[in-house]
Amino acid sequence: QLQLQESGPGLVKPSETLSLTCTVSGDSITNHNVHWGWIRQPPGKGLEWIGSIYYSGTTHYSPSLKSRVTISVDTSKNQFFLEMRSVTATDTAVYYCARPNGYWGQGTLVTVSS
Amino acid sequence: QAVVTQEPSLTVSPGGTVTLTCASSTGTVTSGHYAYWFQQKPGQAPKTLIYDTSTRRSWTPARFSGSLLGGKAALTLSGAQPEDEADYFCLLSYNGVRVFGTGTKVTVL
Repeated sequence: QLQLQESGPGLVKPSETLSLTCTVSGDSITNHNVHWGWIRQPPGKGLEWIGSIYYSGTTHYSPSLKSRVTISVDTSKNQFFLEMRSVTATDTAVYYCARPNGYWGQGTLVTVSS
Repeated sequence: QAVVTQEPSLTVSPGGTVTLTCASSTGTVTSGHYAYWFQQKPGQAPKTLIYDTSTRRSWTPARFSGSLLGGKAALTLSGAQPEDEADYFCLLSYNGVRVFGTGTKVTVL
């Protein structure tokens, strides 16, 4: 059974960089030509797609976040990563990693505050 | 960036049928948007119900079906159960760039 697990700091200071890791277990990232994504959900609000990556390294980003976001992959570790620069309080949210056609991590709350 | 719109809320009677829709600001939703549907209950991560417009996951009850209807993506729930009360989100792909819908709160009452 495929499982995804987010990890990273739960508190980030304004203007700093948010870095999260998604560890995939139960299957190899390279076994399927599907996209692996990062999604976030501010408290009490809807889902926002941040971006996604294929194991080949091809990425797609939300236009509204593209200038601040980088998604990368390490196939040897079966992990993919999110980096979001220059964060503000509006980036406070639960961050999910997912293979949207089926599998989601449990989510991790990231709070941006000094 | 495209805006994807869903009904804010819908109510269905137990055993009844309800259709949720997912509209794109760019025009007609087609199979090329690879519509996804997700169910989210309070305090839980979203769960994928449908992908590629109409493909169910193994865990998706048969009472959920996805389709294209009137230029939109649609999720039909036939024979609603109390446990179907949740928020539902669609996701559309625009040449690899994905956009979530605004979400629909479904009440079974």
